Amino acid sequence: EVQLVQSGTQVKKPGDSLRISCKGSGYNFATDWIAWVRQMPGKGLEWMGIIYPRDSDTIYSPSFQGQITISVDKSISTAYLQWRSLRASDTAMYYCARRQFLENWGQGTLVTVSS
Amino acid sequence: EIVMTQSPATLSVSPGERATLSCRASQNVNDNLAWYQQKLGQAPRLLIYGASMRATGIPARFSGSGSGTEFTLTISSLQSEDFAVYYCQHYNDWPPFTFGQGTKLEIK
Repeated sequence: EVQLVQSGTQVKKPGDSLRISCKGSGYNFATDWIAWVRQMPGKGLEWMGIIYPRDSDTIYSPSFQGQITISVDKSISTAYLQWRSLRASDTAMYYCARRQFLENWGQGTLVTVSS
Repeated sequence: EIVMTQSPATLSVSPGERATLSCRASQNVNDNLAWYQQKLGQAPRLLIYGASMRATGIPARFSGSGSGTEFTLTISSLQSEDFAVYYCQHYNDWPPFTFGQGTKLEIK
């Protein structure tokens, strides 16, 4: 069974750094793209970026370029989404999902940024 | 960047009736179009990929059609569990693989 398991809820202050994770299992992690999707409270889905674990080829949405870093450690089948300096506007649910059409989804990681 | 536009924003339909949701792309995306269902408090779920291919475990009452820039998701006979928000997304050629803004399907 394919599973994507994300790290838990985070509460941070503006200016903090953060890295959340997404661990894949039940398939060949290296050969399927992993995407990250943001959902702000009460809003729709926003495609943030995508990474190919085998060679770490990464593509960002222009809306998120420079604001986030997507990375992967294929040795432990885990993808990451990272911020160097969080803002209140980063408060959202973040999902990872497998493949370009998002066949399997993680359960989501809620990130709250508040002073 | 390709803009995906869904209509209507909200659709009110009675159980047992048919629902038709639309999605338009600002450029040709061929058949590289997916539909997702999201229920309150849950992660989205893939319904349709390749514009018309049902994902694993998706009931036959869900069907997708279209190619190029115009797409439709049809739910043939609405069940209570189908009332949710539906999103389309393209994944053609080059990212960003943008989503539509969503259609909320509500009980009439």
